[in-house]
Amino acid sequence: EPEVTQTPSHQVTQMGQEVILRCVPISNHLYFYWYRQILGQKVEFLVSFYNNEISEKSEIFDDQFSVERPDGSNFTLKIRSTKLEDSAMYFCASSGQGTDYGYTFGSGTRLTVV
Amino acid sequence: KQEVTQIPAALSVPEGENLVLNCSFTDSAIYNLQWFRQDPGKGLTSLLLIQSSQREQTSGRLNASLDKSSGRSTLYIAASQPGDSATYLCAAQGGSEKLVFGKGTKLTVNP
Repeated sequence: EPEVTQTPSHQVTQMGQEVILRCVPISNHLYFYWYRQILGQKVEFLVSFYNNEISEKSEIFDDQFSVERPDGSNFTLKIRSTKLEDSAMYFCASSGQGTDYGYTFGSGTRLTVV
Repeated sequence: KQEVTQIPAALSVPEGENLVLNCSFTDSAIYNLQWFRQDPGKGLTSLLLIQSSQREQTSGRLNASLDKSSGRSTLYIAASQPGDSATYLCAAQGGSEKLVFGKGTKLTVNP
C-alpha cells in the first residue's frame, strides 16, 4: 500500500536554529498538508498546498514557517528560527483529488527544541 | 468554526467486549469524516472514511456511522482484542481541505 514517508523521525535542535522537515507524499496525490501535535493536545492543521502554492494556512503558520515542493516528489516544512513551543510531532499528509478521498498521514517527525 | 469532541476521553474494557466510541461535530456541513488510530508516539493510521452522502462504512470488526443532521459519528469495535489498544481520533473535513480533529479516545483492552 502506498505510504507517505517522513524524515527524520526525530530531530533535536537548539532554539533559534532553522530546521527542515521532509516528506515524500504518495506519488499520484495532489494535495499536501502539514499538521502538528503538541504532546497531550489535539492534532492541529498548519498548512495545505495544492498546485504549487499554499491553498490554506492556520494562524499558527506565521512568517517563521514556509513550505516548498522543490521537485516532483519532496514536500518540505521549514521553521526559520525555532522556539521552545515549536516542540511537537509534525505530520505530513497527502490526499487525492477532491474531498472524496481520505488523507494518508506519514509516521511523523518528533521535533524537540532545547 | 468547526469543533470536534470525542467522548469518552479514555475507556478500559475486557477482551472480547463490543464497544462504541463517540464523536460529535458542531458544523454539520462536512464533506467527510475520517477515523484514525494512533499508537503511542506514532503516526496516524486511517481506519475508515465516511463521505457525507454515506451513513456508514465497515472494515473487518470496525463499523463507523455518520449522522450529519445531529452532528455525530460513532465507531463500533466488535470483539475487542488487546491489539486494539490505542488512541482513536475522529476528524471532520468541511468546506476547505483541512481536517479538524477531536482529542481522541484512549482505548485499553485488557487480556
